[in-house]
Amino acid sequence: SQQGEEDPQALSIQEGENATMNCSYKTSINNLQWYRQNSGRGLVHLILIRSNEREKHSGRLRVTLDTSKKSSSLLITASRAADTASYFCATVPPAQKLVFGQGTRLTINP
Amino acid sequence: GAVVSQHPSRVICKSGTSVKIECRSLDFQATTMFWYRQFPKQSLMLMATSNEGSKATYEQGVEKDKFLINHASLTLSTLTVTSAHPEDSSFYICSATLAISTDTQYFGPGTRLTVL
Repeated sequence: SQQGEEDPQALSIQEGENATMNCSYKTSINNLQWYRQNSGRGLVHLILIRSNEREKHSGRLRVTLDTSKKSSSLLITASRAADTASYFCATVPPAQKLVFGQGTRLTINP
Repeated sequence: GAVVSQHPSRVICKSGTSVKIECRSLDFQATTMFWYRQFPKQSLMLMATSNEGSKATYEQGVEKDKFLINHASLTLSTLTVTSAHPEDSSFYICSATLAISTDTQYFGPGTRLTVL
């Protein structure tokens, strides 16, 4: 069964604003990853955070992980129109494969 | 680096025909490749895990005789949808990794299959 549940399912903001997406999961994990998917395209790996890490940055992306609450968040700062896409979290339980959440459809309005 | 290609990007076929989708790792050797299926506005569902030189491992509910997977080399895996029906219409995405249970999977651009 799918582990990741993402919130919100859809998010629409103005260019320049920050976008925050959340992901919750059910069982223990080795790491959690965030991916981006533009409409009708494959997935692009954004960032990986391991179970012993609490926060990670990559450019305008900031990911947090709270293993006690089994949740993660992805923050995109100073959003741009090109950030419009679907964002998926994917968990890696021990010795298992990627399990994707339902995704958040992010729309950045110019 | 770590580029994965898929071919074709889009295919339309008649019901009852078989369709082959190729997944290639262009600049690395992929010991493991994964095949996913994605319905519109939904998440990716893992169909099977493909290891070079061995039989694929299918997820529960995925018909192995319907979705034939061959991983003949370290850079190529193929998915054949046999006797396709309209309900098989979907977006099929492959990914490749150097290690089965750790770190990043590199995704192909996907193949849109439409069965008439």
